[in-house]
Amino acid sequence: EDKVVQSPLSLVVHEGDTVTLNCSYEVTNFRSLLWYKQEKKAPTFLFMLTSSGIEKKSGRLSSILDKKELSSILNITATQTGDSAIYLCAVEGYFGNEKLTFGTGTRLTIIP
Amino acid sequence: GAVVSQHPSRVICKSGTSVKIECRSLDFQATTMFWYRQFPKQSLMLMATSNEGSKATYEQGVEKDKFLINHASLTLSTLTVTSAHPEDSSFYICSAATSGSTKNIQYFGAGTRLSVL
Repeated sequence: EDKVVQSPLSLVVHEGDTVTLNCSYEVTNFRSLLWYKQEKKAPTFLFMLTSSGIEKKSGRLSSILDKKELSSILNITATQTGDSAIYLCAVEGYFGNEKLTFGTGTRLTIIP
Repeated sequence: GAVVSQHPSRVICKSGTSVKIECRSLDFQATTMFWYRQFPKQSLMLMATSNEGSKATYEQGVEKDKFLINHASLTLSTLTVTSAHPEDSSFYICSAATSGSTKNIQYFGAGTRLSVL
């Protein structure tokens, strides 16, 4: 059974700090790893990672995949209160049906 | 782009009634749609995968006769919770995947909070 574990479960930091969120996985025939941000309702897509060692970057957010360690990290620099959310990691196994297995998420709270 | 609309956002119903939830891809065609359930402080649990024009594929432990899924077109999938009971109260959320090069990116609707009295 595919499994995704995220850490920490929750994190509280001050505005301006840098945070690193972790995701480790066990999946048969790994295809991709995705990061989503869930604020109140709908998760919004952040990154999709398929290749090891290639950093994806969007503004203050960046992410990288390590296939050898079966893990990924999501970095947020110069955090802002608007970054407060639950960050979800999901992996897709190559069964051809695009099914995602989600972790329980990291709840990030940014204190002004 | 890649907007998914889910309706209603919240529904309260009496035990024994049926509830229909709609999921629409507004600006793209979704060959595959997914239905998830999310309990408080837990992650998204996949219930079923819906492909346009064919029967849905249900995950283990999900009753297909209770959670009816219809994917009538490339932009619409519906989930009907039949004979709802209080234990069906949850947050239901759909997603849609495109058919292009980014087909394994799922875009999510805003979810439906179901409360069964």
